[in-house]
Amino acid sequence: EVQLVQSGAEVKKPGESLKISCKGSGYSFTSYWIGWVRQMPGKGLEWMGIIYPGDSDTRYSPSFQGQVTISADKSISTAYLQWSSLKASDTAMYYCARPSAPAAWDAFDIWGQGTMVTVSS
Amino acid sequence: EIVLTQSPGTLSLSPGERATLSCRASQSVSSSYLAWYQQKPGQAPRLLIYGASSRATGIPDRFSGSGSGTDFTLTISRLEPEDFAVYYCQQYGSSPPETFGQGTKVEIK
Repeated sequence: EVQLVQSGAEVKKPGESLKISCKGSGYSFTSYWIGWVRQMPGKGLEWMGIIYPGDSDTRYSPSFQGQVTISADKSISTAYLQWSSLKASDTAMYYCARPSAPAAWDAFDIWGQGTMVTVSS
Repeated sequence: EIVLTQSPGTLSLSPGERATLSCRASQSVSSSYLAWYQQKPGQAPRLLIYGASSRATGIPDRFSGSGSGTDFTLTISRLEPEDFAVYYCQQYGSSPPETFGQGTKVEIK
């Protein structure tokens, strides 16, 4: 079964760092891009960026460039989303998602279960 | 950046009725790389339609997509109780970002 399993919910203070993960299984992890999507409480979906684990080619939405870092460790089939200094406005659910076709920016047909990040003093 | 505008914001309908959701792009979406997703409370989004009109695996045929260029439509022919949810369009396949629309909520009237 193809699946993406994300790390658990996090509660952090402003200014702290954080790295959340997304582990792929049931397919060739290095052959598919993996994207990250933010959903703030009660709001819509926002495309943050995408990485190709095969060669670590990474693209960011201008809205998120410089605010987060996307990375991947292909040896353990895991993608990451990290912050160096969290803000209260980073409070959101974060989803990783995989496009339906290999090596293509296709529609996301596989989604992780989401990681809730809460930033509060 | 391509901006997607969905309308209406909320659609109030009864089970058995037809739902028509619109997604308009600020510029032409290349090769009809337009997808529709359904999201229910507490769940991750689910892909319904890709390539503007192709149903994803396991999606019932009451869901259909159409359109090209800048105007796209998701139609649910007869609403089932499980179809009441929020629906998002997304353009993909071009330079980042692969934007989403702001969503249309289909609620029970």
